[in-house]
Amino acid sequence: KNEVEQSPQNLTAQEGEFITINCSYSVGISALHWLQQHPGGGIVSLFMLSSGKKKHGRLIATINIQEKHSSLHITASHPRDSAVYICAVHFYGGATNKLIFGTGTLLAVQP
Amino acid sequence: EPEVTQTPSHQVTQMGQEVILRCVPISNHLYFYWYRQILGQKVEFLVSFYNNEISEKSEIFDDQFSVERPDGSNFTLKIRSTKLEDSAMYFCASSDYRVEQYFGPGTRLTVT
Repeated sequence: KNEVEQSPQNLTAQEGEFITINCSYSVGISALHWLQQHPGGGIVSLFMLSSGKKKHGRLIATINIQEKHSSLHITASHPRDSAVYICAVHFYGGATNKLIFGTGTLLAVQP
Repeated sequence: EPEVTQTPSHQVTQMGQEVILRCVPISNHLYFYWYRQILGQKVEFLVSFYNNEISEKSEIFDDQFSVERPDGSNFTLKIRSTKLEDSAMYFCASSDYRVEQYFGPGTRLTVT
């Protein structure tokens, strides 16, 4: 079964802390997305990865294809980073490019 | 920057009524998707659409659901006879020939 798991499910941090959110998946993928969902509900794409590492501002995403694992890092966290962070993947062999989503990590950054 | 738009942002309907959720994908995109998120649960795939036909659908997407691209710009999701369990956030997404998908802001459907 094609599954995506995230950890932790909930994370509380103090402003300025370095944050890591993990994602693991069960079988081969063609690409992995990190998405952000704010309390209003809208989804914003942060990164799409198929290998290596990407950086955008204080956000860094890495992926290890052999270990079937990805991490999202936030440096110098800020209360405005508080949101749900979701990992979603495209599995090989699917009929289309549908995304399979993880359960999300609820991040709260306290001032 | 081009974006996916969805209307309405919130729809309240009575059980048994038909609803149509509307999406305007990014104009040069070829692949279109509907996903839903029941409150407190993860986002789930409903259906994908390419070349004016459904290319894949999930088990959730039963005969009560249908999709259409009526005029070359809109992409709609119809639920014929809504149930309480259809209450969810519905997201539209689109992509070009690559896998990166762009999401709309969602429509919150409340069935009473």
